Amino acid sequence: NAGVTQTPKFQVLKTGQSMTLQCAQDMNHEYMSWYRQDPGMGLRLIHYSVGAGITDQGEVPNGYNVSRSTTEDFPLRLLSAAPSQTSVYFCAAGIQSSNSPLHFGNGTRLTVT
Amino acid sequence: RKEVEQDPGPFNVPEGATVAFNCTYSNSASQSFFWYRQDCRKEPKLLMSVYSSGNEDGRFTAQLNRASQYISLLIRDSKLSDSATYLCVVNTGGFKTIFGAGTRLFVKA
Repeated sequence: NAGVTQTPKFQVLKTGQSMTLQCAQDMNHEYMSWYRQDPGMGLRLIHYSVGAGITDQGEVPNGYNVSRSTTEDFPLRLLSAAPSQTSVYFCAAGIQSSNSPLHFGNGTRLTVT
Repeated sequence: RKEVEQDPGPFNVPEGATVAFNCTYSNSASQSFFWYRQDCRKEPKLLMSVYSSGNEDGRFTAQLNRASQYISLLIRDSKLSDSATYLCVVNTGGFKTIFGAGTRLFVKA
């Protein structure tokens, strides 16, 4: 069972370039989210989705777009990368219950030069 | 003020020691609480949920004090393999899950 799969694992971009971080889950979980993790900051919520066609902003949404056309996929788009977006990005999935934990993908390490 | 605060450490302890981590949260309406473990350059993984009555899982004990908005994790008989970063996690409802910055633990032989 793959769980949550993120691609790519590593990416280097130049300022102003665009790219999409992919996230797919095979657990049929309704809830999916994207976090970024920076040293000393912990994980910060970028965007989340409670089901296909429904997305909402988290704590740090600026510079990122998301869509949820299917239950399985939740891509994160950077339209114009900035050095401040250098970070490790984690996608997570879970069932729709506040008492349930999140399952994370392996992460994408993004460097913007 | 951060919504979830933890002592960043690092905590350096010898094998066999008992170590405790603390965490405070600011939203009194928070609904559920967890401890996650994160190894270096890996994804966070659930260690244990935290229940109001306190709960234990082997060498790990978690406690919650809603009145003081305080969560703790106690690790007994530390092992080398316990070396990791421990994340305090609070769900405030509405699918908003907030992570603390983590406490680093190094267990040495």
